Amino acid sequence: AQSVSQHNHHVILSEAASLELGCNYSYGGTVNLFWYVQYPGQHLQLLLKYFSGDPLVKGIKGFEAEFIKSKFSFNLRKPSVQWSDTAEYFCAVNNNAGNMLTFGGGTRLMVKP
Amino acid sequence: NAGVMQNPRHLVRRRGQEARLRCSPMKGHSHVYWYRQLPEEGLKFMVYLQKENIIDESGMPKERFSAEFPKEGPSILRIQQVVRGDSAAYFCASSRRQGPEDEQYFGPGTRLTVT
Repeated sequence: AQSVSQHNHHVILSEAASLELGCNYSYGGTVNLFWYVQYPGQHLQLLLKYFSGDPLVKGIKGFEAEFIKSKFSFNLRKPSVQWSDTAEYFCAVNNNAGNMLTFGGGTRLMVKP
Repeated sequence: NAGVMQNPRHLVRRRGQEARLRCSPMKGHSHVYWYRQLPEEGLKFMVYLQKENIIDESGMPKERFSAEFPKEGPSILRIQQVVRGDSAAYFCASSRRQGPEDEQYFGPGTRLTVT
């Protein structure tokens, strides 16, 4: 069975600080990787996804993530966070059957103005 | 285009009552997924349905939980004889097709509280 770990449960940063949120997965086969964001009071939205090709993926709002196959990792990064990035961030994987997403436990990010 | 709609947004039930959660997928989407988020945990897959068919219910509890997606109308997640441990946020997602490249679009969720 596949599983996803997000080791940082709560992160507090000041505006303009750099962000890196960790995501590790366990699955022996081919996986597809996703980062979702949930802003306060809103539904989950897709930030970025990786299926194949360039392991450095660019998403919306200046976010990017790097797939490192040897480390089973897909960490999310942003060079300079803004107050509006305050949200909960979820890493997720699926396999090539595609019908179910396995989510990590989420990371709550608070950006102080 | 309206997004995925879920209602009610908040539902309070006493132990032993039934809870019915509704999900209307995005227009043109025929694949529906239900996920549950327990307090302080990530989302956990429950069931995947297409119109009139349950495709994968590997994440559904064996008892008291059922789901349907009829030919007409929304998908329904039904929880019979609710218990306190059923208190959670229930999210529905929809996609146009099945496949890893077909993005799942999420609804706002239904927060179920069992008293």
